[in-house]
Amino acid sequence: QVQLVQSGAEVKKPGASMKVSCKASGYTFTDYYIHWVRQAPGQGLEWMGWINPNSGGTDYPQKFQGRVTMTRDTSISTAYLELTRLRSDDTAVYYCVRSGLRFGELLQFDLWGQGTLVAVSS
Amino acid sequence: SYVLTQPPSVSVAPGKTAGITCGGNNIGSKSVHWYQQKPGQAPVLVVYDDSDRPSGIPERFSGSNSGNTATLTISRVEAGDEADYYCQVWDESSDHVVFGGGTKLTVL
Repeated sequence: QVQLVQSGAEVKKPGASMKVSCKASGYTFTDYYIHWVRQAPGQGLEWMGWINPNSGGTDYPQKFQGRVTMTRDTSISTAYLELTRLRSDDTAVYYCVRSGLRFGELLQFDLWGQGTLVAVSS
Repeated sequence: SYVLTQPPSVSVAPGKTAGITCGGNNIGSKSVHWYQQKPGQAPVLVVYDDSDRPSGIPERFSGSNSGNTATLTISRVEAGDEADYYCQVWDESSDHVVFGGGTKLTVL
């Protein structure tokens, strides 16, 4: 079964770090990019960046640069999102998502993880 | 950075046709993807590359894209179509992904 399965919910203190995992199964992990998308309570979808599981290359929007790190372990088909110096407005559901690549163009998000709620509260 | 603009809400009666727009500068030159999100669930792809449907998505869902506006059209709307809908593109100038703000579809 083709799926992305994420780690469980977390509660963090402000200033702490979070690390969420995303295990892929049912397809070749290195054939698709993995993106992370978050959604704050009652808000829309926010793209956080991508990792190329084949090369390990990453790209993050400026908003998250310096605080976010995306990594992967190809031996276990798992991607990771780490976010540091957490603030209350980082409280959100974090999704890992799969996309293909066509002639340098990132394609649609055709497979989503179930989401991981991270709550940041003192 | 590239911006996508969606109406916050759209209402439609059952059996009628709903149109959800997504505005962006020369969006007609980009591939637009649409996602449906029901409460408490992860988003689901309903239209990709402007007008293609993934397997399992009803033919009632269709899309178009021209000029500065892309549109998701839902025909013969059902109560189960009530959800939030998001458009998304890849902005080649920044190599970044952009989402619209989302539209809440209410079935009256």
